Amino acid sequence: DSGVTQTPKHLITATGQRVTLRCSPRSGDLSVYWYQQSLDQGLQFLIQYYNGEERAKGNILERFSAQQFPDLHSELNLSSLELGDSALYFCASSARLAGYNEQFFGPGTRLTVL
Amino acid sequence: AQKVTQAQTEISVVEKEDVTLDCVYETRDTTYYLFWYKQPPSGELVFLIRRNSFDEQNEISGRYSWNFQKSTSSFNFTITASQVVDSAVYFCALSGDSGAGSYQLTFGKGTKLSVIP
Repeated sequence: DSGVTQTPKHLITATGQRVTLRCSPRSGDLSVYWYQQSLDQGLQFLIQYYNGEERAKGNILERFSAQQFPDLHSELNLSSLELGDSALYFCASSARLAGYNEQFFGPGTRLTVL
Repeated sequence: AQKVTQAQTEISVVEKEDVTLDCVYETRDTTYYLFWYKQPPSGELVFLIRRNSFDEQNEISGRYSWNFQKSTSSFNFTITASQVVDSAVYFCALSGDSGAGSYQLTFGKGTKLSVIP
């Protein structure tokens, strides 16, 4: 158990809908990263927050947004969903803004868009 | 841009054989960090090891060992006396300071290891 929690574990929805994925980092970790794992693109970085502020953006679509709240949990919002958004979404947390801090991953949310 | 290449898509070995998973990386950063993660069939990503670019010492942890060679930009992972529980997808990843203190991971495509009893 990494200490990172993600809800829900599975999500099935229809095209055009909007969903929210939730992540609680390990106790004390200030940095949260979101990654998407799909069959064709592999594991890709989406966005990072540190202590409530956005730090970096990767290959994140404009239809997607995220935020980190004062209690450090984070939410990833996906809107106008398309079939291609079906993937496993991971949240990871690390203690600080330093490369030597390994990222610990949550169990993931499997999103299926029908 | 950073890049990680895991040329082996799938490997099958018989239990108790040794197996090496290859990882080659590209980066322009002078300081960077390399990682290996394991993704068992259950789907979670499990951290295995971190290596800093300025530390080329090889590491052994039980049946696992890692060989970091800066000269060839490689960070290979060897499992000795493989077991069925080692069956998983293994990811090599790279991070460096991409600005604003962000250290997102760039992953390879992964190597699926199947250990046959």
